Amino acid sequence: DQQVKQNSPSLSVQEGRISILNCDYTNSMFDYFLWYKKYPAEGPTFLISISSIKDKNEDGRFTVFLNKSAKHLSLHIVPSQPGDSAVYFCAASERNTPLVFGKGTRLSVIA
Amino acid sequence: DAGITQSPRHKVTETGTPVTLRCHQTENHRYMYWYRQDPGHGLRLIHYSYGVKDTDKGEVSDGYSVSRSKTEDFLLTLESATSSQTSVYFCAMSGTSYTDTQYFGPGTRLTVL
Repeated sequence: DQQVKQNSPSLSVQEGRISILNCDYTNSMFDYFLWYKKYPAEGPTFLISISSIKDKNEDGRFTVFLNKSAKHLSLHIVPSQPGDSAVYFCAASERNTPLVFGKGTRLSVIA
Repeated sequence: DAGITQSPRHKVTETGTPVTLRCHQTENHRYMYWYRQDPGHGLRLIHYSYGVKDTDKGEVSDGYSVSRSKTEDFLLTLESATSSQTSVYFCAMSGTSYTDTQYFGPGTRLTVL
């Protein structure tokens, strides 16, 4: 039973446009959400996070939105750059339990 | 870069042989994790540790064991490797809680023939 779902395996966006990556979850006890970014042949790196008490968190070009009633979060990248091409993992945590990761979405930013 | 390394980085082995992967960190982080990454499955937690000699099973622990005899080292052992354990293995660490930023190692590509 997949608790964190990233239903789009891949996404292509033109440079300068907005990239929107989506993530759905089923466990209503999740209270902390994170996005990780992974380049080929490297380990994932932390990108941005959001607590369940917020509905938005922004860090430069990256914004994460959380809709608790819909159990949905999204990562917006504006403007998208070729260096943003990577696999993005959504992750969620219930208090005092390890993260649960989604399957990832491969973003390709086309110049 | 956070101080976490994995060894070996690549390994080819045969079915039925034991394999041990090592994760070493220099940050004195309490929590450590082993994940595997497979196409179509994303990152799946194998085992994790919340302190020296304190470990627990993750989502896909069958066929794997771990040990943590000191803070800096977290070992993953495949007692008898199978072809289904061919994967890329990532170790990670976090400081004071499960939701602290996890810092990942560079990964170990394991092929079981």
